[in-house]
Amino acid sequence: SQQGEEDPQALSIQEGENATMNCSYKTSINNLQWYRQNSGRGLVHLILIRSNEREKHSGRLRVTLDTSKKSSSLLITASRAADTASYFCATDRDNDMRFGAGTRLTVKP
Amino acid sequence: DTGVSQNPRHKITKRGQNVTFRCDPISEHNRLYWYRQTLGQGPEFLTYFQNEAQLEKSRLLSDRFSAERPKGSFSTLEIQRTEQGDSAMYLCASSGGTPYTEAFFGQGTRLTVV
Repeated sequence: SQQGEEDPQALSIQEGENATMNCSYKTSINNLQWYRQNSGRGLVHLILIRSNEREKHSGRLRVTLDTSKKSSSLLITASRAADTASYFCATDRDNDMRFGAGTRLTVKP
Repeated sequence: DTGVSQNPRHKITKRGQNVTFRCDPISEHNRLYWYRQTLGQGPEFLTYFQNEAQLEKSRLLSDRFSAERPKGSFSTLEIQRTEQGDSAMYLCASSGGTPYTEAFFGQGTRLTVV
């Protein structure tokens, strides 16, 4: 069964703008991971945030986690056309990662 | 390349045939996952191994599906008596060492049942 639920389902922005994607989940977790997937390809790991962390950065990525609201957000700053992909959050409770349906991000040049 | 490797990359089979996929995880990883993904959807959890032990199995994994991980190394996923609804991308991921670390995915095996 799925655990995370991403919002919005689709997002279209212009190059240079920021993109924010949200993930909500239902049960307690140990960590939450964000992945990117280009069409027809495997998933690429972006960032892992543990349940005792509130914010993490990696390059142009910023992830927040609010365990009281059971939600996380992924911010991509200064987007590029190459950021066009689907983005998924995966919640991990007991090493059993569960994914949502993803956000399809389109960055227009 | 020391990433997760899946074979074959593509498989076309006739309905009713059996198919087997292989996943070679990153060598020091003790956890291995199988997922199924259909177009426009997120990966659906199928099963999870810690070393050679199959710790969890989704209800999606009917009795036609079986997964093994002998000796805690590579893993195989077999689908017996394939149906058209089995057409999907089958993804394998591994993670390891310290609990709750990043999982890395292979490129997947795309199955088409005709």
